[in-house]
Amino acid sequence: DSGVTQTPKHLITATGQRVTLRCSPRSGDLSVYWYQQSLDQGLQFLIQYYNGEERAKGNILERFSAQQFPDLHSELNLSSLELGDSALYFCASSAGHPYNEQFFGPGTRLTVL
Amino acid sequence: KNQVEQSPQSLIILEGKNCTLQCNYTVSPFSNLRWYKQDTGRGPVSLTIMTFSENTKSNGRYTATLDADTKQSSLHITASQLSDSASYICVVSAPAGNNRKLIWGLGTSLAVNP
Repeated sequence: DSGVTQTPKHLITATGQRVTLRCSPRSGDLSVYWYQQSLDQGLQFLIQYYNGEERAKGNILERFSAQQFPDLHSELNLSSLELGDSALYFCASSAGHPYNEQFFGPGTRLTVL
Repeated sequence: KNQVEQSPQSLIILEGKNCTLQCNYTVSPFSNLRWYKQDTGRGPVSLTIMTFSENTKSNGRYTATLDADTKQSSLHITASQLSDSASYICVVSAPAGNNRKLIWGLGTSLAVNP
């Protein structure tokens, strides 16, 4: 168990809908990262937050947004969902500096029908 | 362009055999290189991290090497077990202003058969 929790574990929705994925980092970790992994594909970095502020942005679509709250949990919002958004979404946390190891949550499997 | 390339893309070996996975990167400047193991459907778990000055680092049956001159790293797995079946991902860290940028490889999918 990495100490990172993600909810929900599975999510099934329809095209055009909006969903919110939630992540709670390890106790004491200030950085939260979001990744997308489509079937049989590599991890795609989406976005990083550090202590409530956006720190780095990857290949995140404009339909997607995220935030980190004062209690350091983070939410990833996906809107106007398309079939191609079906994927595993991972959250990871680290103590702060990206030099540090990232600890990954169990992921949320999103299926868009 | 900063890139991380891994080879082979996939590999099948018999239980008990050794194997070596490769990671070549063009990231410059370079901060460190980390190898992750990802079981199917689960989040990656760090195996080892190597900084510029380190050549070899071991973690049980896993041994990583780094040649910063040729920008190559390898992950050697000794006496493979069925539980080694997973994707192995190389991640290179590069300075980016006050932050550091992580460049992820696509991984090598390893299958260990009995």
